Amino acid sequence: GENVGLHLPTLSVQEGDNSIINCAYSNSASDYFIWYKQESGKGPQFIIDIRSNMDKRQGQRVTVLLNKTVKHLSLQIAATQPGDSAVYFCAENSYGGSQGNLIFGKGTKLSVKP
Amino acid sequence: ETGVTQSPTHLIKTRGQQVTLRCSSQSGHNTVSWYQQALGQGPQFIFQYYREEENGRGNFPPRFSGLQFPNYSSELNVNALELDDSALYLCASSRPGLAGGQQETQYFGPGTRLLVL
Repeated sequence: GENVGLHLPTLSVQEGDNSIINCAYSNSASDYFIWYKQESGKGPQFIIDIRSNMDKRQGQRVTVLLNKTVKHLSLQIAATQPGDSAVYFCAENSYGGSQGNLIFGKGTKLSVKP
Repeated sequence: ETGVTQSPTHLIKTRGQQVTLRCSSQSGHNTVSWYQQALGQGPQFIFQYYREEENGRGNFPPRFSGLQFPNYSSELNVNALELDDSALYLCASSRPGLAGGQQETQYFGPGTRLLVL
């Protein structure tokens, strides 16, 4: 399958530990943010999203934090499992801009050691 | 699985040729966006289709064009292929945002891997 992880920042964690993946976004006008997971040979899979009127949102084992002051987004994965190994992308979108114009970050490769 | 399907899964073309990639959106979604993902990079927005019309375009030349059909499926056409067009082409579908309102989540298909020789 394709290797989407070439030349990407890598985070290596032990199974069962918590993972934190960080992302700096570019546009202060962005008001919608999404985290995607991409496994080798597959398309990006939606994990969780957050709008700019919130600073934290929780899902199942995942939490997204948004700091608009410093334009920073993070994804926390609790009790990381081997199946969480993938490349993680943050994406931003702007209210009033093109509906489709998701701007993706460079991605972080998460490697989970059993 | 998202319910977004793409065909073909892989394709090999030579420089100068033309290619058509296809996408079927998830049930209930009438907006389709196309992205290009080079190896080791994040996806880059090409364009979006809504109600059979282009609804936004990224920084791609006119030889990248598209269509959307009444059943909301979509095609991406690339003319005069160049070596740098080699990439994974992703289709994403979404519900339309409320007029002047919030963005909707985009759900991606598995992609078409295009290799230009």
